[in-house]
Amino acid sequence: AQSVSQHNHHVILSEAASLELGCNYSYGGTVNLFWYVQYPGQHLQLLLKYFSGDPLVKGIKGFEAEFIKSKFSFNLRKPSVQWSDTAEYFCAGKNNAGNMLTFGGGTRLMVKP
Amino acid sequence: GAGVSQSPSNKVTEKGKDVELRCDPISGHTALYWYRQSLGQGLEFLIYFQGNSAPDKSGLPSDRFSAERTGGSVSTLTIQRTQQEDSAVYLCASSSSGGQGHEQYFGPGTRLTVT
Repeated sequence: AQSVSQHNHHVILSEAASLELGCNYSYGGTVNLFWYVQYPGQHLQLLLKYFSGDPLVKGIKGFEAEFIKSKFSFNLRKPSVQWSDTAEYFCAGKNNAGNMLTFGGGTRLMVKP
Repeated sequence: GAGVSQSPSNKVTEKGKDVELRCDPISGHTALYWYRQSLGQGLEFLIYFQGNSAPDKSGLPSDRFSAERTGGSVSTLTIQRTQQEDSAVYLCASSSSGGQGHEQYFGPGTRLTVT
């Protein structure tokens, strides 16, 4: 079965610290991978996406992610977090066998000012 | 332009009652999805509509759940004889098409509380 897993459920960082959130997927074939963010009281917004090509993708607000096929990973990174990055982050994927997204369990990030 | 909209934003209902949740996708988007976000289960796929094709209902948790999409636009998710475990945020998303290479845009959700 297709699955997406996120290793960290809760992360607490101080401002200016670097961030890396892990994401692994379990299915093969052509994959589309996404990171979504949900700020407190707001709806899911797309941070970045990987469809094909350059495995290092850049998204909004200084976020980037690297698709490593050999590791089935799509980790999210940001070199220096801000207090406004406090949110819940979801990794999601789909392959050519289905149209729906499979989500990881989410990671709650708290950035201390 | 306008994003995905959902109504109501909040719904409180008594156990055993039926509820209807509405989704207005982004204009021109042919693919529409329903997901459920709950504390114990995270984000789960429920149902997918693509154009005039038969919907993919593989994620619906029971036969109390149904959905329709009229005229290829607005969708309604119906939950009959609601149970307390149905309490969750119900999210709608749309994309310009299903399949590969298309991102999904999410609405604000409907928070359903079954008392």
